[in-house]
This record gives sequence, C-alpha cells and structure tokens, in this order.
Amino acid sequence: KQEVTQIPAALSVPEGENLVLNCSFTDSAIYNLQWFRQDPGKGLTSLLLIQSSQREQTSGRLNASLDKSSGRSTLYIAASQPGDSATYLCAPDSGNTPLVFGKGTRLSVIA
Amino acid sequence: DTGVSQDPRHKITKRGQNVTFRCDPISEHNRLYWYRQTLGQGPEFLTYFQNEAQLEKSRLLSDRFSAERPKGSFSTLEIQRTEQGDSAMYLCASSQSGSNQPQHFGDGTRLSIL
Repeated sequence: KQEVTQIPAALSVPEGENLVLNCSFTDSAIYNLQWFRQDPGKGLTSLLLIQSSQREQTSGRLNASLDKSSGRSTLYIAASQPGDSATYLCAPDSGNTPLVFGKGTRLSVIA
Repeated sequence: DTGVSQDPRHKITKRGQNVTFRCDPISEHNRLYWYRQTLGQGPEFLTYFQNEAQLEKSRLLSDRFSAERPKGSFSTLEIQRTEQGDSAMYLCASSQSGSNQPQHFGDGTRLSIL
C-alpha cells in the first residue's frame, strides 16, 4: 500500500527566498508523480506532472525532481512571492489505482 | 475547457438527512474520481468511474454512500443518513484514461453536519 510523507508540514519564509518541499513515497512502482497546490477552501490545482522516466520538470519558477528508485520527489520554488502561499500536495500515480496524497506542506510567504 | 464543476459549493444539513452532490467533469475525460478531504489531511480516495462503469470503491465508502455516472458524463455522490463524521470537503476529479494523464480537480463541495 502506497504511503506518502511530506516534509516539512509547514514552512514560513520571507519573500524572495528559494525553498524546497520534500515528498517521499514507499512504493516506487509509479508511472508519474503530480504536484498540486491548494488554496484555503478550494480544490487542487495541478502544478507539475513528472513522468517516471523523467528526472526533472519545470514550469516557470517551479522545478520538480523525481528519484523513483529512492522514492523521493522535491518541489523547488524560486524567488518566492506572497501569492505562492498555499498548501502543496504531492501524489504518486501507480497507473490503474487512484492517487494517494500526502498531508501536504503549508507554505506562508511573508512580504 | 471549462474545468471540473461541482455543485453545490457548500451544504449544511442536519444529522440523519440525505444529501446529493453533483460533479461535471471536463467533457473529453472518461475517468471521474471522488475524494474526501478533512482538515489538515490530504484527499482520500472514495471511488472512480471509467465512462459509466464504477471500477473501484474504497473501504471508506460505507453502504450509506452511493455514486453513479449513468451516462458516462456527470456523476452524483449520495450520502444517506448523514453522520457528524461525514463533515468534510468532497472533491471530484477527472482525467483521460491511460498512464501519465493528469487529474484535474473541481473546487469541491463542503459538507457540514449539524
């Protein structure tokens, strides 16, 4: 059974800092891993999908890496902004089974 | 692409009442998922459909819960005889079938049981 852990649970940084969010998972037999953002009271917005054959995926100031064999993914946010404040969730996808989520990292970027 | 739409956004009801939520997926997506999320937790899978067929149900889905997708388009999730523990955000997602297809989520229905 897939288990997902996200560290840290919460993070508060000043505006402009670069930061790293960590995701680890127990079952490495995955097709891909998705990173999502969730604003309070809202649904999930897909940020990046990194396929198992890829090592990195980039979108703007976001960069996700995947080390499938060690069961780890990181989300790097460059030059953080107050608008980046949200909860970030990762979810490995094993193909024909539903996504399994971590509890998320709650990020606050202080102006 | 209008995104995944869920209705209602909020539902407040008394314990013991029945409630029904609706999800309209992205039109070309044949997979539809229901998740439940409580405060401070990630979403937990409830059930999913490929077209009109319900392919998997979580053990979280007690016999008070039922989901349908009669024509392979929109889906409904019904909870009968609601309990306090049913209070949560109910999220719907859709995707195309196949590997490496991202799931797209709606804004959810927040259920509060009085």
